[in-house]
Amino acid sequence: AQSVTQPDIHITVSEGASLELRCNYSYGATPYLFWYVQSPGQGLQLLLKYFSGDTLVQGIKGFEAEFKRSQSSFNLRKPSVHWSDAAEYFCAVGRSNDYKLSFGAGTTVTVRA
Amino acid sequence: DTEVTQTPKHLVMGMTNKKSLKCEQHMGHRAMYWYKQKAKKPPELMFVYSYEKLSINESVPSRFSPECPNSSLLNLHLHALQPEDSALYLCASRHGPGDIYEQYFGPGTRLTVT
Repeated sequence: AQSVTQPDIHITVSEGASLELRCNYSYGATPYLFWYVQSPGQGLQLLLKYFSGDTLVQGIKGFEAEFKRSQSSFNLRKPSVHWSDAAEYFCAVGRSNDYKLSFGAGTTVTVRA
Repeated sequence: DTEVTQTPKHLVMGMTNKKSLKCEQHMGHRAMYWYKQKAKKPPELMFVYSYEKLSINESVPSRFSPECPNSSLLNLHLHALQPEDSALYLCASRHGPGDIYEQYFGPGTRLTVT
């Protein structure tokens, strides 16, 4: 069975500082990986996705993520955080011919002025 | 247009009430989902419809009854709910089976059961 681990429950970062959120997955075949962001009281918005090809993927809002097969990781990064990036971030993994996504537990990001 | 809409935005209902949540998408997606989300937790899958047929029911209690009248519309009928059913209910959609495509989520309905 596939699973996703987000080791950091809560991260606090200063505005303008860099941000990295960790995601590790467990899956036997090539995973399909996603990062979603959820602002308070809102739905989930897709930040970026990885299916195949270039292991460094660019997303919206200045985010990027790198797929590392050897480490079973798909970490999310942003060089300079804005106050509006304060939100809950979910990593998810899916597979072909399967409707389901497996979500990590989420990481709460707080941005301090 | 990558929008999934949900109504109502907020709903308060008593344990004896009957209410419905509505979800709509016009992206031509053929798979639609209902999720339940508690605070600070990831979404939990409830139901999946594929080509307007129920494909997955994650052992959801019968007080939740999904319906897919057409390819653009998904309803969730609620009856005799319990206070622990209070949560954010999210709808999502994606392209049909055969390939991995991302799911697009609606803004959710915040449900409070009193």
